[in-house]
Amino acid sequence: SQELEQSPQSLIVQEGKNLTINCTSSKTLYGLYWYKQKYGEGLIFLMMLQKGGEEKSHEKITAKLDEKKQQSSLHITASQPSHAGIYLCGADALSGGSNYKLTFGKGTLLTVNP
Amino acid sequence: KAGVTQTPRYLIKTRGQQVTLSCSPISGHRSVSWYQQTPGQGLQFLFEYFSETQRNKGNFPGRFSGRQFSNSRSEMNVSTLELGDSALYLCASSLARLAGSSDTQYFGPGTRLTVL
Repeated sequence: SQELEQSPQSLIVQEGKNLTINCTSSKTLYGLYWYKQKYGEGLIFLMMLQKGGEEKSHEKITAKLDEKKQQSSLHITASQPSHAGIYLCGADALSGGSNYKLTFGKGTLLTVNP
Repeated sequence: KAGVTQTPRYLIKTRGQQVTLSCSPISGHRSVSWYQQTPGQGLQFLFEYFSETQRNKGNFPGRFSGRQFSNSRSEMNVSTLELGDSALYLCASSLARLAGSSDTQYFGPGTRLTVL
């Protein structure tokens, strides 16, 4: 089965600093999703990447999928307290024939100090 | 467009009882998936329903079951509750989750279940 490893597990940064979160897969990624979660709440969709080398940006957050499609990174520029939360990467994995199911990494807890 | 809604938001039960959780997907979405989130195991896939049929299932015991109605609303049931069932249960909806394609899932706020 596909496994996703996120690093680091937790991160504390000063407001205004840049940071990167990584997501590494044990298998080729067919669809890679980034979500953000506030503690105890639902997941907020950030971005989806499908093609090797693809890069997407939304406001100050940029996500990339490497050419070999086994690793993705999420980069936040000039972090703000509103960026604090748990960042989760998820990937589509084939399950039982041609159906997909979404598997997730354990998450990265980001704290941004003002 | 309204997002995914889940009811109730919080629930406290005792061991041995059963519980039913409800999920209303985004209008037009036909696929509903359920997940269990715990501090130790993280987010784990329970099952997925599409057009009232269970299309995919994770590795959970038979005490966990679900169904989907003709309006795409879904319910999840856990029978004979155990302490380890305490978790945040999340449902997510997507347009179709067609085979061979990726389709973004949008999550609800979750139901926090505590088993005493």
